[in-house]
Amino acid sequence: GAGVSQSPSNKVTEKGKDVELRCDPISGHTALYWYRQSLGQGLEFLIYFQGNSAPDKSGLPSDRFSAERTGGSVSTLTIQRTQQEDSAVYLCASSLDVNQPQHFGDGTRLSIL
Amino acid sequence: AQRVTQPEKLLSVFKGAPVELKCNYSYSGSPELFWYVQYSRQRLQLLLRHISRESIKGFTADLNKGETSFHLKKPFAQEEDSAMYYCAPTSGTYKYIFGTGTRLKVLA
Repeated sequence: GAGVSQSPSNKVTEKGKDVELRCDPISGHTALYWYRQSLGQGLEFLIYFQGNSAPDKSGLPSDRFSAERTGGSVSTLTIQRTQQEDSAVYLCASSLDVNQPQHFGDGTRLSIL
Repeated sequence: AQRVTQPEKLLSVFKGAPVELKCNYSYSGSPELFWYVQYSRQRLQLLLRHISRESIKGFTADLNKGETSFHLKKPFAQEEDSAMYYCAPTSGTYKYIFGTGTRLKVLA
């Protein structure tokens, strides 16, 4: 079956522009996570969605970052007024439920010029 | 604050040598414990979970509640084990905390 799908795989944009990153989770997975992986760093949690509950946004680094999940499926991470420090790989994962293993996408490599 | 510590950023061992990747967590209660692995040019994937008590690719992980550790071990490392390894204790409230990762290099 299909795994977690992320698009685009690569995104290069100019500083100050807005970007949207998309995540299509595994069908039936109620939990969805966004992480950021910077060069030489581990996984930095950004935001978590669980079913119809309010998302846990505690990991978002600034108000330039936002995310939504429509219909309990596809999620979009938006970064407004991008800065060079936003350059990283953005990973999406989904799981059947809390405390279940997470399945990761290939990530979106974001480069801010 | 809940923390996960993987003290080694890089671990180099020779092929055939034993390997132990350390993970310590500061949690109350009984978290579910996972190890994830990322091979070169592949996506991050689950390696094993504590509750399964299984051996995957020769790796095992033992939970030591007294020491709050969940170290990953393999008696004889192989070159194909070279990868980035992440420890991830998960509990009801802390569903998304990963360790900083250990890069394992197995030398020929």
